[in-house]
Amino acid sequence: KAGVTQTPRYLIKTRGQQVTLSCSPISGHRSVSWYQQTPGQGLQFLFEYFSETQRNKGNFPGRFSGRQFSNSRSEMNVSTLELGDSALYLCASSFNLDGYTFGSGTRLTVV
Amino acid sequence: SQQGEEDPQALSIQEGENATMNCSYKTSINNLQWYRQNSGRGLVHLILIRSNEREKHSGRLRVTLDTSKKSSSLLITASRAADTASYFCATDSSRDDKIIFGKGTRLHILP
Repeated sequence: KAGVTQTPRYLIKTRGQQVTLSCSPISGHRSVSWYQQTPGQGLQFLFEYFSETQRNKGNFPGRFSGRQFSNSRSEMNVSTLELGDSALYLCASSFNLDGYTFGSGTRLTVV
Repeated sequence: SQQGEEDPQALSIQEGENATMNCSYKTSINNLQWYRQNSGRGLVHLILIRSNEREKHSGRLRVTLDTSKKSSSLLITASRAADTASYFCATDSSRDDKIIFGKGTRLHILP
């Protein structure tokens, strides 16, 4: 069966712009979580969605937002991009939180 | 903030030797998971151990959990070049169900 698909794989944006990243979970997985990975901070939890509802949220500013659609696909949006937002953004889906399946990530570079 | 902290941060061993990585965490948990990440890619789920379990095996992997010390270890026996990767522990907090990752151990297997 298909894995977790994240698009795009790579993205270059300018400071002040906004960006939308997409994640398609494994079929049947209703939980989708997003993580930001940087060399300095490691994997930081952004938020988790379950059945279109945000169930958990990490400690990120309001510029970071997300949503989940009825087909469990999820998007995350970052507005007013800053240089420090350059990172690998990982999406993971789960059936029951007993193990996540991760996508390959979106590498965002802010210049 | 990080829940899990892996130790050591980096480890280099000869092929065929055993590799041991440790993870300490702060709050009570439902379960603890270990993941592997090859350079710049998504994470791969290796093994999950529940809070009422003390040891678990999967192929060349052995995981232990000591809830009294809030620590876990991952042992990889008979290491191979393909085991070169970063290894992360992730804890599922019993307080809020967030899955929080540590900063990882970078394992390098020398030929």
